[in-house]
Amino acid sequence: ILNVEQSPQSLHVQEGDSTNFTCSFPSSNFYALHWYRWETAKSPEALFVMTLNGDEKKKGRISATLNTKEGYSYLYIKGSQPEDSATYLCAFSGDGGSNYKLTFGKGTLLTVNP
Amino acid sequence: ETGVTQTPRHLVMGMTNKKSLKCEQHLGHNAMYWYKQSAKKPLELMFVYNFKEQTENNSVPSRFSPECPNSSHLFLHLHTLQPEDSALYLCASSQDGGDPYTQTQYFGPGTRLLVL
Repeated sequence: ILNVEQSPQSLHVQEGDSTNFTCSFPSSNFYALHWYRWETAKSPEALFVMTLNGDEKKKGRISATLNTKEGYSYLYIKGSQPEDSATYLCAFSGDGGSNYKLTFGKGTLLTVNP
Repeated sequence: ETGVTQTPRHLVMGMTNKKSLKCEQHLGHNAMYWYKQSAKKPLELMFVYNFKEQTENNSVPSRFSPECPNSSHLFLHLHTLQPEDSALYLCASSQDGGDPYTQTQYFGPGTRLLVL
């Protein structure tokens, strides 16, 4: 059974704060790591796909890093805004016959207070 | 708007009812997925279809019956459900072209199901 852990479970920050959260995943048979952003009452939306050790991806104020050898990824948000409030999910896929299969963590719920 | 629609958005049903959830994707993808999300749990993969063929059944009870008539439509038929089946049911699709980037799944908004 694959274990994908995200921490913290929830986070409250003030507008303008920078924040980060962690996704831990199995370090063997790595294929890809996905980050999604899920606003309440909407569809989860893909943020990043990360494949290479040391990868760093950026989209506006959001960035992510990847360490496949130790099995973790960080998501950073710089200067948080209320519209960043959402649940951030990571999903792991392993190298093998069913690498289309994503195993999700429980997510980190971010609330940004104005 | 992700290009994946789901109906209904909310459903209340009794344990003896039969109902169906519908998913449609307008992205030209070849793979479609059903997930279940219960409170305090991660998204759980239920079924996967690739080019209309079921490629994954994640030990889902037979009271959930999927149907994929073509690559754009996916149904989940529900019968004699239990109260513990109350959850958010999400549909997703992907291109699944054999590289990590085509793995990206595009989700619908989900159906919130309550079984009484």
